[in-house]
Amino acid sequence: NAGVTQTPKFRVLKTGQSMTLLCAQDMNHEYMYWYRQDPGMGLRLIHYSVGEGTTAKGEVPDGYNVSRLKKQNFLLGLESAAPSQTSVYFCASSFRGPANYGYTFGSGTRLTVV
Amino acid sequence: QQPVQSPQAVILREGEDAVINCSSSKALYSVHWYRQKHGEAPVFLMILLKGGEQMRHEKISASFNEKKQQSSLYLTASQLSYSGTYFCGTAYTGTASKLTFGTGTRLQVTL
Repeated sequence: NAGVTQTPKFRVLKTGQSMTLLCAQDMNHEYMYWYRQDPGMGLRLIHYSVGEGTTAKGEVPDGYNVSRLKKQNFLLGLESAAPSQTSVYFCASSFRGPANYGYTFGSGTRLTVV
Repeated sequence: QQPVQSPQAVILREGEDAVINCSSSKALYSVHWYRQKHGEAPVFLMILLKGGEQMRHEKISASFNEKKQQSSLYLTASQLSYSGTYFCGTAYTGTASKLTFGTGTRLQVTL
């Protein structure tokens, strides 16, 4: 049982390059999330999805796009990377949402933009 | 708005107790607690629901004070394995489809 799998685990991008981070879960969870973690700032929500085909903005969505074409996958895209997007990105999923269910996190993607 | 956690950091000797607080200025529907070890992903510990009972995970327990919009995490007889950063995550009434996390409390347990 893999849980939540994030790929890649590490990536170095040059300013202006694009990339897609993939999150896959095998727990049949409805809700999926992308957070970024920066020192001293905790986890900040980028985008989230409450079901297949749905997406919504979180608190720091600028510079990112997402898609959830299949229930098990949630993709995070950076169209034109900037040094301010250097961070650790965590994907999380929840069975029906955090009102009553906990999150399961992936192991994270460490992204450096130079 | 992020919930406010206190203290920001605490150092304990093995066997000592600690309390971590999480306060919100907005009405809470539920509060989550997670622990993150260095270089790893956060791990879910427990969830507290409005009107619910105090919860427990091993020797770690938590309470939810609806009147104060505050949750407290109690670490009893701490073990070396308790070291890490503890985050509270809050689901607000009316927007309970996502969590907002505090900035974390760094806990170090020493011999």
